[in-house]
Amino acid sequence: ETGVTQTPRHLVMGMTNKKSLKCEQHLGHNAMYWYKQSAKKPLELMFVYNFKEQTENNSVPSRFSPECPNSSHLFLHLHTLQPEDSALYLCASRGLAGGPTDTQYFGPGTRLTVL
Amino acid sequence: AQSVAQPEDQVNVAEGNPLTVKCTYSVSGNPYLFWYVQYPNRGLQFLLKYITGDNLVKGSYGFEAEFNKSQTSFHLKKPSALVSDSALYFCAVRDDGNYGQNFVFGPGTRLSVLP
Repeated sequence: ETGVTQTPRHLVMGMTNKKSLKCEQHLGHNAMYWYKQSAKKPLELMFVYNFKEQTENNSVPSRFSPECPNSSHLFLHLHTLQPEDSALYLCASRGLAGGPTDTQYFGPGTRLTVL
Repeated sequence: AQSVAQPEDQVNVAEGNPLTVKCTYSVSGNPYLFWYVQYPNRGLQFLLKYITGDNLVKGSYGFEAEFNKSQTSFHLKKPSALVSDSALYFCAVRDDGNYGQNFVFGPGTRLSVLP
């Protein structure tokens, strides 16, 4: 248990649906990340938030929309997805750079299937 | 730009034998290096990191890694493998840790420990 929770753990949605993924960290960290993990592909960084400000958008299609209302919560809003968006979506948080928690702590992921 | 290579997709080792999972990296500044493990249907778990200091880093579950600056390598090792070590292992790098927010992950190496 890393202190990073993700809900739901599994999600099946049609291409016309709108859904949201939620990530919550109870570690007091200031940076939060969304990653996409597809079979047989490297981990893809999607978004980075640092102190609630988005610092990275790694050329992610606009059908993925992140939201970070505070340092503890991170959302990924999904709409009009494609079947190739099916993957494991991982959230991570990170403590202060240079400190003892300067590593990434991952949630268990949301397994997304787009039909 | 940072990059990480894990030259082996799969490593097989007999239980009780030593194991090595290889990682080489490329960064423009000083490297911060990490190893993570992923069990099926789970997020990534932090194993160990190198920031500075002793080139041999000890981590969780009896794993250790050796930083070699001249060879730009950070191989993961364990003296005696367990069947329960079978999982997917990721090497990651970030440069100039106090400022860099983004981690770059290798493609992963699947370790199978045979009884």
